[in-house]
Amino acid sequence: SQQGEEDPQALSIQEGENATMNCSYKTSINNLQWYRQNSGRGLVHLILIRSNEREKHSGRLRVTLDTSKKSSSLLITASRAADTASYFCATDAERNNDMRFGAGTRLTVKP
Amino acid sequence: DAGVIQSPRHEVTEMGQEVTLRCKPISGHDYLFWYRQTMMRGLELLIYFNNNVPIDDSGMPEDRFSAKMPNASFSTLKIQPSEPRDSAVYFCASSTRTARWSQHFGDGTRLSIL
Repeated sequence: SQQGEEDPQALSIQEGENATMNCSYKTSINNLQWYRQNSGRGLVHLILIRSNEREKHSGRLRVTLDTSKKSSSLLITASRAADTASYFCATDAERNNDMRFGAGTRLTVKP
Repeated sequence: DAGVIQSPRHEVTEMGQEVTLRCKPISGHDYLFWYRQTMMRGLELLIYFNNNVPIDDSGMPEDRFSAKMPNASFSTLKIQPSEPRDSAVYFCASSTRTARWSQHFGDGTRLSIL
């Protein structure tokens, strides 16, 4: 069963623009992560943010976490055509420590 | 350094047949996970192992599904008998003990049951 829900389901932007994807979850968590999946491939881990962190950066990626709202956002700055992929948030619930994935946001970056 | 290797990449078989999916995790990784991905249900955790021991199989949908990890470098997911609703992409992932949630995924097995 899914824990996180990404929003929007699909996003289409021009190369060079920023892309923002959101994730909401239901139960208290230890960590939240973002993964990328290119078509026909497995998921690739992008970044992990712990429940006591509010913001984290990795290259062109910026992740925020608001545990009071049970939500996170992933910002990709200066997008490139190669960023076209599906992006998933994943949470591990405090209660059972299993990792659950959201349904994903399909990002298309047009050259 | 080789990543997680899954085989076969594609499998098409008829309903009722036994299906065996294989996974070779990254050497040195302590955790191995099996996931199933469908359009309707997204990515679901089926089972995971720690040091070759099954820890949580609560995601395994039915008794028709079974998974084994006879050693640190090999795992199988078996479906017997297979049904059309088992059609999905099955992923194997592995991770280290210190970075359990930073999982490395294989490219999956696309399974079609006719």
